[in-house]
Amino acid sequence: KQEVTQIPAALSVPEGENLVLNCSFTDSAIYNLQWFRQDPGKGLTSLLLIQSSQREQTSGRLNASLDKSSGRSTLYIAASQPGDSATYLCAVRSGNQFYFGTGTSLTVIP
Amino acid sequence: TAGITQAPTSQILAAGRSMTLRCTQDMRHNAMYWYRQDLGLGLRLIHYSNTAGTTGKGEVPDGYSVSRANTDDFPLTLASAVPSQTSVYFCASSSWNHNEQFFGPGTRLTVL
Repeated sequence: KQEVTQIPAALSVPEGENLVLNCSFTDSAIYNLQWFRQDPGKGLTSLLLIQSSQREQTSGRLNASLDKSSGRSTLYIAASQPGDSATYLCAVRSGNQFYFGTGTSLTVIP
Repeated sequence: TAGITQAPTSQILAAGRSMTLRCTQDMRHNAMYWYRQDLGLGLRLIHYSNTAGTTGKGEVPDGYSVSRANTDDFPLTLASAVPSQTSVYFCASSSWNHNEQFFGPGTRLTVL
């Protein structure tokens, strides 16, 4: 069974700092990996999707990388802002199943 | 466009009662999914449907059933609710060729 781990569970950074969130998975046979943002009491908002054949995806200040062979993905956030404060989740697709990590709670301090 | 809508927003249900959570999408996505989110456990897939007329079991299907009569709707039914089904339930959808999932706002269910 695929297991997805996100470290750290929580992170606090001062505004303007660049940061990296980590996601690891145990089975490298994945179709894709997706990063989400979740605000308290809300649904999930898709940030980036990386197909298994891709190495990275970029959207604005966000860059996600994928190293399938080592079972790792990183989400890089440049020049963090207080509005980036949220929980960030990664999910992998294995066959018809989707497996989520438990998330990293990010606080950006003004 | 509305994207994905879920109803109700929240519900308190007595144990043993039945309940159907509704999910509708207007993006003409082929695939739809139901997840539950529990503190410390993250999101877990309950059931999925790759296309209208087909359904499949996810990681935690017991106690839940689904149907997919058309492309837009994917209801989740709890036939006889138990307290362990207290959770936040999210519906999601994706297109076959891209696989990016989009989520609804969720239904908070409390079973007493």
